[in-house]
Amino acid sequence: DTGVSQNPRHKITKRGQNVTFRCDPISEHNRLYWYRQTLGQGPEFLTYFQNEAQLEKSRLLSDRFSAERPKGSFSTLEIQRTEQGDSAMYLCASSFDSSYNSPLHFGNGTRLTVT
Amino acid sequence: GQNIDQPTEMTATEGAIVQINCTYQTSGFNGLFWYQQHAGEAPTFLSYNVLDGLEEKGRFSSFLSRSKGYSYLLLKELQMKDSASYLCAVADSNYQLIWGAGTKLIIKP
Repeated sequence: DTGVSQNPRHKITKRGQNVTFRCDPISEHNRLYWYRQTLGQGPEFLTYFQNEAQLEKSRLLSDRFSAERPKGSFSTLEIQRTEQGDSAMYLCASSFDSSYNSPLHFGNGTRLTVT
Repeated sequence: GQNIDQPTEMTATEGAIVQINCTYQTSGFNGLFWYQQHAGEAPTFLSYNVLDGLEEKGRFSSFLSRSKGYSYLLLKELQMKDSASYLCAVADSNYQLIWGAGTKLIIKP
């Protein structure tokens, strides 16, 4: 168990560019979550997957954001036409089964800075 | 609406005891989690409560009162490494986590 891995750790991009982040969850975990976190705030839910199915997406999430988990393993989060307000830490987490008390295991995040 | 409230910041002395409170109003309840997050790092799981009462785990304990919508995290024998943010999160009726903004705990020598 190598934990949840996220790449890249840091990304600086210019406004209007597209960015893509990758998350590799713990291998036996079937649930994968994406969160966004800004300084002094708790994680903000973006979307989650049960295996390869995207089961929920935040209503607050712009259509510039899209996520995939094509084979139920790793996941990607893409942000199109980035805006300065997208600057944040993007966290990925996985769990075995959140219908019980299975805690989330977080990756170290990707810090996005949009200039 | 759904709401989690916890103090923004607390200060305590090394070796002492500190209690971090969390109150919640959510649509349904399927358990309450506490996470620790050091600056620039990912949150890490500390505790889970779904029934009323106290859960003890080493220097850390977590308490839940469902009727009051209230929980606290108790940290004993504080160490400098306990300086971090402590996040309270409640699983709602859909098992989705609703997060508080976190309590930044500052430990002074």
